[in-house]
Amino acid sequence: QAVVTQEPSLTVSPGGTVTLTCGSSTGAVTSGHYPYWVQQKPGQAPRTLIYDTSNKHSWTPARFSGSLLGGKAALTLSGAQPEDEAEYYCLLFYSGAYVVFGGGTKLTVL
Amino acid sequence: EVQLVESGGGLVQPGGSLKISCAASGFTLSGSAVHWVRQASGKGLEWVGHIRSKTNNYATAYVASVKGRFTISRDDSKNTAYLQMNSLKTEDTAVYYCTRLTTVNTLEAFDIWGQGTMVTVSS
Repeated sequence: QAVVTQEPSLTVSPGGTVTLTCGSSTGAVTSGHYPYWVQQKPGQAPRTLIYDTSNKHSWTPARFSGSLLGGKAALTLSGAQPEDEAEYYCLLFYSGAYVVFGGGTKLTVL
Repeated sequence: EVQLVESGGGLVQPGGSLKISCAASGFTLSGSAVHWVRQASGKGLEWVGHIRSKTNNYATAYVASVKGRFTISRDDSKNTAYLQMNSLKTEDTAVYYCTRLTTVNTLEAFDIWGQGTMVTVSS
């Protein structure tokens, strides 16, 4: 089974910009992995922010954006807010059917 | 209100079985795939498996650690998906979430997530 890697933790200042990345043990992450970014706050269910690399749901704040960067999927937060403090998981599809989550990035806004 | 509601979690002994449900309300589940994801206490999210729609022949797929022990099914007449868990192990203890994979502007996307149901495997 593939392993999906994320930074364990990152810190960003309020109003600052931070980029979270998501790599795959099988090689470069491509659009064919349909990268997702899922946000989870303590005690809450997950919430999908980004799907298929860069697409946003209606509830996704405009300050979040997704992309492919240097062989990885990336989530960029521009203008961080205190409420953005959360765990962020990427997930990738393999062979169009199997899903693997990354270990998550704990984002602190401080 | 559009939502998914999991139910049926509880305490079960190692080696036992449990069937949990994922009921949709406010929309029709039949056209979407349903995925199950679990989270052990203090740990990350782990994909468990999925079931596709009737159009896709109700195809299923599972993570290796549950294959042969867990079965995902659905009853579209009840707008509900299920996760049957057999030969349960202590390491299956987790909150189990369901989420739907649906079409958003011609692309497939996970959108709605349930609130989760707790499954505890312990003697």
